[in-house]
Amino acid sequence: EVVMTQSPATLSVSPGERATLSCRASQSVSSNVAWYQQKPGQAPRLLIYGASTRAAGIPARFSGSGSGTEFTLTISSLQSEDFAVYYCQQCNNWPRTFGQGTKVEIK
Amino acid sequence: EVQVVETGGGLIQPGGSLRLSCAASGFTVSSNYMSWVRQAPGKGLEWVSVMYSGGSTYYADSVKGRFTISRDNSKNTLSLQMNSLRAEDTAVYYCARYLNGYGDVWGKGTTVTVSS
Repeated sequence: EVVMTQSPATLSVSPGERATLSCRASQSVSSNVAWYQQKPGQAPRLLIYGASTRAAGIPARFSGSGSGTEFTLTISSLQSEDFAVYYCQQCNNWPRTFGQGTKVEIK
Repeated sequence: EVQVVETGGGLIQPGGSLRLSCAASGFTVSSNYMSWVRQAPGKGLEWVSVMYSGGSTYYADSVKGRFTISRDNSKNTLSLQMNSLRAEDTAVYYCARYLNGYGDVWGKGTTVTVSS
């Protein structure tokens, strides 16, 4: 099983600042990584797929990068609606594993 | 509108069975790769099962042999039959369409509580 490890567990950021979230895979997953945003009481929402492609309707302030085992989600200028938990998921191997999540909170 | 709606959750005793359903609209379940993902209270996301358009299925080790994914093409629904339920199966269960390998449409989830 591919283990996805996200860091940090919690990220405290002020509105307008940049946030950088990391996700590391225990073995290469090529570029088959997605990032999801989840707010309390809501379902996850797809932000990024294929490591770097924004999903439909996702603002340009969200960007993804990486391949192999190291992946990054960057939010260029945090808006109030971006405070949430973010998960990475690898879609290269079975089972499709998620990271444990990074909570982005208001500083 | 493209959406999925999960139903069937509830309170069930350990060892019991429950069947979840996922009704899709705006797209055809049988033409897509559909998954169940769950989230235990206060925890992260855990992928549970998938059914490919061709009918192939995969399961997480934690549910293999106890859960069965299926679909009803005439009703455009996906189901998850859950047997021999355990306390650790307590979670919100989400149905998701995985387009090109990624979960692009998610339901609001249905809550399963396994407790005596």
